[in-house]
Amino acid sequence: AQSVTQLDSHVSVSEGTPVLLRCNYSSSYSPSLFWYVQHPNKGLQLLLKYTSAATLVKGINGFEAEFKKSETSFHLTKPSAHMSDAAEYFCVVSGVGGGNKLTFGTGTQLKVEL
Amino acid sequence: DGGITQSPKYLFRKEGQNVTLSCEQNLNHDAMYWYRQDPGQGLRLIYYSQIVNDFQKGDIAEGYSVSREKKESFPLTVTSAQKNPTAFYLCASSPTGDNEKLFFGSGTQLSVL
Repeated sequence: AQSVTQLDSHVSVSEGTPVLLRCNYSSSYSPSLFWYVQHPNKGLQLLLKYTSAATLVKGINGFEAEFKKSETSFHLTKPSAHMSDAAEYFCVVSGVGGGNKLTFGTGTQLKVEL
Repeated sequence: DGGITQSPKYLFRKEGQNVTLSCEQNLNHDAMYWYRQDPGQGLRLIYYSQIVNDFQKGDIAEGYSVSREKKESFPLTVTSAQKNPTAFYLCASSPTGDNEKLFFGSGTQLSVL
């Protein structure tokens, strides 16, 4: 069984300040982990993906995430927020087996203020 | 211009009516998926297909049906048996069915009249 918990449903930051979106996971296997972003009324877009290579993963638009096995965490960060980063972010864990075994978190809504 | 196209963007269903959501991809991907998104919840898998003429139920398949007659197309029918159909429906595809990067369409918002 696998699960993912996004610890904050809403995060608000000022433009130019750091972003931290928190995600904890549970998995019986060595998981693959993803962060997706969704802008209003749009589909999801992959930000980054962890698959047991480097624990620090760099993604698009300046985002990165660090896989910490001891803490079962995969937090998403960005050094400096931009207005265009305002969106909903989903942490996703994959399982093992055929087909699609992705488990999505409930999402974190990021608000960026001037 | 490659991608996934979902139509319509907005759809309204009357009581007792079946409605079909379209999903087309020109990425030559083998696997396609349908997800349902409700406010404050993560995406939940309805059906998926790893190859033409084959599909499997996801976590919430009751009240839905699909077909995969062509590689490019994976339509979803919301039947009258689905008692709470109001949601945002997302179609996705991936090169294979092995949890690779998913490519999403822009979604269809289904509402009940």
